[in-house]
Amino acid sequence: DTAVSQTPKYLVTQMGNDKSIKCEQNLGHDTMYWYKQDSKKFLKIMFSYNNKELIINETVPNRFSPKSPDKAHLNLHINSLELGDSAVYFCASSQTRTEAFFGQGTRLTVV
Amino acid sequence: EDQVTQSPEALRLQEGESSSLNCSYTVSGLRGLFWYRQDPGKGPEFLFTLYSAGEEKEKERLKATLTKKESFLHITAPKPEDSATYLCAVEPQGAQKLVFGQGTRLTINP
Repeated sequence: DTAVSQTPKYLVTQMGNDKSIKCEQNLGHDTMYWYKQDSKKFLKIMFSYNNKELIINETVPNRFSPKSPDKAHLNLHINSLELGDSAVYFCASSQTRTEAFFGQGTRLTVV
Repeated sequence: EDQVTQSPEALRLQEGESSSLNCSYTVSGLRGLFWYRQDPGKGPEFLFTLYSAGEEKEKERLKATLTKKESFLHITAPKPEDSATYLCAVEPQGAQKLVFGQGTRLTINP
């Protein structure tokens, strides 16, 4: 059983398109996150949700919109994709004040 | 600003050659320091959490230690399967997020 699962694993799309990445966790955690890993492998927080409420938005462009329909799901929608959006996006979850568990990542390539 | 710096960026060892990875941090208030392992094409895998200076945690050939300014990940008699990128992260007090370092890419040659 995969604890944190993301789909798709790979996403190749053209500039200007809109795309979504889905994330689900079956750990019963109350907090979910989106992180971005750039080409230098540096992981940086984008969003944090606790019980479906947004609690952290780290100066991410408005083109990125997270949506949490319930506490087991956190999806990421990206409008008007740009070349600079190419990266690996990781979803993660944690119970408050415990370690985070990460999904396998979605490699987004914008051409 | 909360910051994490790891050194070295890359480390190549022979099998059985022990060494240490360093993680220096500056944070307004530390709730916890985390070590993760990341294999190519995969997500970070949790290894340890340390909460206070002087604390130590061990798992197989790995031991993590914490002081007020840095953490070390000691690897004893490593094997080729220990090859991976090791990530250090801090969770600031009152902030539900991790601030990561850039990682140390560890290669163990047989």
